[in-house]
Amino acid sequence: GAVVSQHPSRVICKSGTSVKIECRSLDFQATTMFWYRQFPKQSLMLMATSNEGSKATYEQGVEKDKFLINHASLTLSTLTVTSAHPEDSSFYICSGTGRNEQFFGPGTRLTVL
Amino acid sequence: DAKTTQPPSMDCAEGRAANLPCNHSTISGNEYVYWYRQIHSQGPQYIIHGLKNNETNEMASLIITEDRKSSTLILPHATLRDTAVYYCIVRVFQGAQKLVFGQGTRLTINP
Repeated sequence: GAVVSQHPSRVICKSGTSVKIECRSLDFQATTMFWYRQFPKQSLMLMATSNEGSKATYEQGVEKDKFLINHASLTLSTLTVTSAHPEDSSFYICSGTGRNEQFFGPGTRLTVL
Repeated sequence: DAKTTQPPSMDCAEGRAANLPCNHSTISGNEYVYWYRQIHSQGPQYIIHGLKNNETNEMASLIITEDRKSSTLILPHATLRDTAVYYCIVRVFQGAQKLVFGQGTRLTINP
């Protein structure tokens, strides 16, 4: 299957700081990327849909000003958690769409102290 | 909301076939059945998908009932590395359509 990478794989930050997570499609062009969040022992929850060159579409209950998404190219989307708080600690996963399948990145573990 | 129902957990002996059921009684005519799995602390991995015919690839087989209201994912010879949470998802056959994850089935392969 196609390869999606995420960076960093793990990040620890202080409360109030901002954290940027990168998602790259390495061997295909992803016009659409998705961002998910997963809390311990729970399923993946879709946060937003990111389309190259346009504004992201956020799911209900997800604050767009807190979770800034940029999809500037067909191979890169970024998620910035602004003014992070301990409750934002989670596993963040991105996915890119190939022709008809979604390929997921390995995830980023965010811990906010 | 997820449109599928799966048992929360299952056990299977190593070397045996693991059969994971999924109910999707409200599936629409243009929706496919997709299966993904997630090994602990990793991103989900695509396994297989199908519309109405049975499908097989190097990882698994997918059996879809004639009325398409349920399906079964079969791992023919389960290994310890198949221990994961398996998600059954229905969606239209289009890459840009979002995947809505349910709770999945936690499959444990026992030695």
